[in-house]
Amino acid sequence: AAGVIQSPRHLIKEKRETATLKCYPIPRHDTVYWYQQGPGQDPQFLISFYEKMQSDKGSIPDRFSAQQFSDYHSELNMSSLELGDSALYFCASSYDRGRVYNEQFFGPGTRLTVL
Amino acid sequence: GQQLNQSPQSMFIQEGEDVSMNCTSSSIFNTWLWYKQDPGEGPVLLIALYKAGELTSNGRLTAQFGITRKDSFLNISASIPSDVGIYFCAGQFGGIQGAQKLVFGQGTRLTINP
Repeated sequence: AAGVIQSPRHLIKEKRETATLKCYPIPRHDTVYWYQQGPGQDPQFLISFYEKMQSDKGSIPDRFSAQQFSDYHSELNMSSLELGDSALYFCASSYDRGRVYNEQFFGPGTRLTVL
Repeated sequence: GQQLNQSPQSMFIQEGEDVSMNCTSSSIFNTWLWYKQDPGEGPVLLIALYKAGELTSNGRLTAQFGITRKDSFLNISASIPSDVGIYFCAGQFGGIQGAQKLVFGQGTRLTINP
């Protein structure tokens, strides 16, 4: 079965550079969530989209922005990168069935290293 | 903000032993979830709990949702080497159309000695 695809899998950037992370949800899934997992930490929610509209926002820095496109893929744009942005970034997708809980399927993550 | 307290943080056991870990929260969650994460990979759902007091099994895994909806435990029976990894509990408040963010516990790192 198709899974969530994230690209790139690894990314190395310098401080103050920009980075773009991409997420391709499972076909027919209409919802995307982004999470950040620091070294040895638990995943922290950043932002989510439903049907191409921002739905919820967590602890996402103002330097970050994201959107969901007409084909439902999503991109997380990160500017003025800082050392503390080094982390695993996960995308999860789900299909909204109108239930109070719709299972989120996680991608393999993008490991961002800021030097 | 919301926080889940997960314990223990790490476990070192012998193959074949049973494992138990738990999570508590000051918040009431609509749904409790248990995930397993392998190194360099995304979390994979093991068990989802929807009703207070619910006890659910998935093979050698058993999990229960506390009556108060503020706690949960996960048991693994007869551990095998492929059980090695980090286990996370996660709570979800409910919501619709993209408003179902997960709040994770700190994780339990399981190491198994063959």
